[in-house]
Amino acid sequence: RKEVEQDPGPFNVPEGATVAFNCTYSNSASQSFFWYRQDCRKEPKLLMSVYSSGNEDGRFTAQLNRASQYISLLIRDSKLSDSATYLCVVSASNSGYALNFGKGTSLLVTP
Amino acid sequence: EPEVTQTPSHQVTQMGQEVILRCVPISNHLYFYWYRQILGQKVEFLVSFYNNEISEKSEIFDDQFSVERPDGSNFTLKIRSTKLEDSAMYFCASRWTAVVLNTEAFFGQGTRLTVV
Repeated sequence: RKEVEQDPGPFNVPEGATVAFNCTYSNSASQSFFWYRQDCRKEPKLLMSVYSSGNEDGRFTAQLNRASQYISLLIRDSKLSDSATYLCVVSASNSGYALNFGKGTSLLVTP
Repeated sequence: EPEVTQTPSHQVTQMGQEVILRCVPISNHLYFYWYRQILGQKVEFLVSFYNNEISEKSEIFDDQFSVERPDGSNFTLKIRSTKLEDSAMYFCASRWTAVVLNTEAFFGQGTRLTVV
């Protein structure tokens, strides 16, 4: 199975900090890209999809570089509630459109 | 808001026993998935299901595993003879489509399976 690699983490940052997560994927046929968030012992929940032109949702900005097979997530003005594991997720038609998860990067935002 | 529901939330079973994990996907969704997550590890793909058949499966999904959509509503994962290493959180997910780019997959809250 084609792999998705993420920063090992954990990231410990103070409230208000800006933090960036990186992800690379090996399946060049990948077509859909996501960042999911997972709280401890809970299900993954979609944070945002990632589009080729890059996209922003409030304090969150995602970028995609297809040539480098690289995805990033930037969180500005971190809140305590941002503490979670951030999962890079990729989907490709040549793997049955299954969602392929990275191991995740743990973020702890401290007061 | 529509959601994927899974039952039971926690199941304890003896090694060698059969277990069936149940999921009710969102009603207008067409693609269904099972994933598992061993404690402290990544979310691993098991199987995808579309049009009443398996469309993709991982190397984890061996002959001990099977899936069914018996009544157009439920989507089940059966493990025939559980092993200790099957202990994990099992997540069901559904999407209304997969061929439209960036379509969200919705996950159920998971079933924690403990094999003793």
